[in-house]
Amino acid sequence: GPKVLQIPSHQIIDMGQMVTLNCDPVSNHLYFYWYKQILGQQMEFLVNFYNGKVMEKSKLFKDQFSVERPDGSYFTLKIQPTALEDSAVYFCASSQGLGYAEQFFGPGTRLTVL
Amino acid sequence: AQSVTQPDARVTVSEGASLQLRCKYSYSGTPYLFWYVQYQRQGLQLLLKYYSGDPVVQGVNGFEAEFSKSDSSFHLRKASVHWSDSAVYFCAASMMGSSGSWQLIFGSGTQLTVMP
Repeated sequence: GPKVLQIPSHQIIDMGQMVTLNCDPVSNHLYFYWYKQILGQQMEFLVNFYNGKVMEKSKLFKDQFSVERPDGSYFTLKIQPTALEDSAVYFCASSQGLGYAEQFFGPGTRLTVL
Repeated sequence: AQSVTQPDARVTVSEGASLQLRCKYSYSGTPYLFWYVQYQRQGLQLLLKYYSGDPVVQGVNGFEAEFSKSDSSFHLRKASVHWSDSAVYFCAASMMGSSGSWQLIFGSGTQLTVMP
C-alpha cells in the first residue's frame, strides 16, 4: 500500500540546537500532519498543513516549531531551539482529504534531546 | 470536550481466545472512526474504519468493529487471536472542532499481549 517515509529514524541532539525532521508523504496526498508520541503515551496532534499553509495547530505546537513543504519536496518539522521536553517520537501522516479520509502514517522519528 | 477513551491500558489473552478492545468517544455528532495498530517501533497501520451504514465493519486479519450511536462506542473484536496480534491498538475519531477544522483524536491505546 501507499507508504510515508521519515528521515532520520533516530536523532540525538543537545538542548538548544535546531533539528529538522523530514517526511516524504504519499505522492498524491494533499494534507499533511505531524503528531507527537511520548514513550508509552497516546499520539497527540501537533499540526496539519495544506496548500502551503498551516490549517490548524494544537497547544503542543510551540512557537519554536515550524513546518513547511518547499516545492513539493519533503514536508518538514523544524524545532529551534530544542528543549528537553521535545524528546519523543514524531510521526508524520498524509491523507487525500479531511474528516473521512484515512491518514497514512510514517514509521516515526525518535528524537532525543540531551 | 471531544475525546476518545480506551479504558483498558493492557489486555492479556491466550492464543485462540476471542478478543474485545473497548473504545468510547465524546462528540456531539457522529465522528468518522478508525482503529489503528502499532507494532513495536513501527508506525500506525489502519485496521478498519467506519463512516456510515452497517454498524459492523470488517477489517484486516479477521478484525471487526461495531459502532453504537446510543453508547458512543466503537469496540474492536476478533474471534480468535494469534500471537502475532500482540501490539498496541489505538482507537481514533475524526471530529470537527470549534474552528471548523477536522482533527483526528486518538485514545491512549491498549497494549495487547497474546500468550501462547
